[in-house]
Amino acid sequence: ETGVTQSPTHLIKTRGQQVTLRCSSQSGHNTVSWYQQALGQGPQFIFQYYREEENGRGNFPPRFSGLQFPNYSSEMNVSTLELGDSALYLCASSFGGALSYEQYFGPGTRLTVT
Amino acid sequence: AQKVTQAQTEISVVEKEDVTLDCVYETRDTTYYLFWYKQPPSGELVFLIRRNSFDEQNEISGRYSWNFQKSTSSFNFTITASQVVDSAVYFCALSEAPRAGNNRKLIWGLGTSLAVNP
Repeated sequence: ETGVTQSPTHLIKTRGQQVTLRCSSQSGHNTVSWYQQALGQGPQFIFQYYREEENGRGNFPPRFSGLQFPNYSSEMNVSTLELGDSALYLCASSFGGALSYEQYFGPGTRLTVT
Repeated sequence: AQKVTQAQTEISVVEKEDVTLDCVYETRDTTYYLFWYKQPPSGELVFLIRRNSFDEQNEISGRYSWNFQKSTSSFNFTITASQVVDSAVYFCALSEAPRAGNNRKLIWGLGTSLAVNP
């Protein structure tokens, strides 16, 4: 069974640029959630994708966008980067069945905006 | 509104000591789920346990145990005979009941940083 993978591991961008982060869900999982974790804080929910549709969104502006592919992998795009976007971005996959609520996390992408 | 409070920001213990990490939650839902996750220095969040609101039985898994008490809205986590490898940030999280579709959001506490010293 393959775990959740994310790429890239680290990224340095300049204010105003855009970035695309990638996530491969765990085998058998059809739901992907994205989280932002600032240093010393808990994860903050960005959005979730289930069967290629957005299935919930946290308090993040529209410049945070995402999509999910037929193989359930996912990408998140952040446009017009701001200094405050510097954080660890975590992707979590889960199975959308009614009995399963555990989320399995990838190692994260560390984004630094200068 | 839903909220998770982990009042202990940092805890430092000596190896082999027992340590309890507190978690207090707020929710209006009657059906909800509580979780504990471990985040070691590598950064990857590791799932430890899930508990639903209808199951108040305590759970033990090796050196880990969890005490869920709805009367006090608490879901505390105890590590018995702590080891250096237990050093990590531990997060408590609350999942609201599923809505239409398949919404699985988690409300997270701020985490407790546990340092186990040799």
